[in-house]
Amino acid sequence: SAVISQKPSRDICQRGTSLTIQCQVDSQVTMMFWYRQQPGQSLTLIATANQGSEATYESGFVIDKFPISRPNLTFSTLTVSNMSPEDSSIYLCSVGGGTTDNYTFGSGTRLTVV
Amino acid sequence: QQPVQSPQAVILREGEDAVINCSSSKALYSVHWYRQKHGEAPVFLMILLKGGEQKGHEKISASFNEKKQQSSLYLTASQLSYSGTYFCGTVESGGSNYKLTFGKGTLLTVNP
Repeated sequence: SAVISQKPSRDICQRGTSLTIQCQVDSQVTMMFWYRQQPGQSLTLIATANQGSEATYESGFVIDKFPISRPNLTFSTLTVSNMSPEDSSIYLCSVGGGTTDNYTFGSGTRLTVV
Repeated sequence: QQPVQSPQAVILREGEDAVINCSSSKALYSVHWYRQKHGEAPVFLMILLKGGEQKGHEKISASFNEKKQQSSLYLTASQLSYSGTYFCGTVESGGSNYKLTFGKGTLLTVNP
């Protein structure tokens, strides 16, 4: 399975600011996924990021709030923009090649907005 | 479509067995099971594929009823290390981007 390095592991940010989260994979992958996990909740998919194309966002998530970059097959970033306390969550990236593959997760970024 | 998990929580003594269920209203291609310990990322346990193929651990087994769109995870002779929240994730048939959708989770607590 792929190994993902995600950073930062945690951050405390002021409302109105932005935070960029990075994920580096040790192998080339076609699809990368970004999830949000609110306190005590399940994982909710934010968007799917394919290299060379615009990210596909799920209902309730918009590019202006969560811009994503995917410059190559091993790297992606998620930015949480104009943050409010409601954005306090764990953000995770994930890679998985297809329906027969297990999906591996980064270690997560615990974001607290004050 | 978010799959439905049951029970929401279960408490066991070490050595006891547990079953966690996952059901979907959509036709599924695969079901994935993960365990998440507090403060950590989810860890892959098991994948069940349409057609019956199963991949996973020795001490943890699972079933997948394609017709009923249901899966069950079987934890036998539970150990303290089994404690955590278990999530099922589903990939729907006919999807184009292999999106994995998670259930709300089942909190499993194993006591000595």
